[in-house]
Amino acid sequence: GIQVEQSPPDLILQEGANSTLRCNFSDSVNNLQWFHQNPWGQLINLFYIPSGTKQNGRLSATTVATERYSLLYISSSQTTDSGVYFCVGETNAGKSTFGDGTTLTVKP
Amino acid sequence: GAVVSQHPSRVICKSGTSVKIECRSLDFQATTMFWYRQFPKQSLMLMATSNEGSKATYEQGVEKDKFLINHASLTLSTLTVTSAHPEDSSFYICSASIDPWGTEAFFGQGTRLTVV
Repeated sequence: GIQVEQSPPDLILQEGANSTLRCNFSDSVNNLQWFHQNPWGQLINLFYIPSGTKQNGRLSATTVATERYSLLYISSSQTTDSGVYFCVGETNAGKSTFGDGTTLTVKP
Repeated sequence: GAVVSQHPSRVICKSGTSVKIECRSLDFQATTMFWYRQFPKQSLMLMATSNEGSKATYEQGVEKDKFLINHASLTLSTLTVTSAHPEDSSFYICSASIDPWGTEAFFGQGTRLTVV
């Protein structure tokens, strides 16, 4: 199966700072999604982004499918942004492969 | 958007008992659903693919007799953890796609199982 690598594994920011999370995948994926896992474990869907760029408030994401990577940008970070961010690649027939996640801590 | 509902969100059971977790697609039909497991501070790993009307397909290393999957209808898949032991304690989550060949996956809320 495909491998999904996320970097950095851990990130500590001061409130207000910007950050970029990266996801590399070893093979072509049909779809790519970014999730934020909240403290209760629930996956919050941030972006469904097989290619191109999308923005939602302070968050934006870019996927370059031909080069097999995706980036998640967080601007003006807030303490509520803390948590684990997962990049998820979906292969044929709907199977999802998760990266190991980036644990983000935003300090006040 | 599409909604996948998972129940219960949290369950505590005694060793040796069985626990059933339900995953429902509320506003679409899902011929295929997926079950994932997450150990503490780790990523989510695919356990099995649940196929409506046929046997589930399990990933390597997943005991099919321990984790029974039933996909009896186009909107419901169940995962039963049989004879649960403390090492089965984990976070379990299901997903489904409206079209498994090219649309986004929708995830349930997850179930945190604690076996005591």
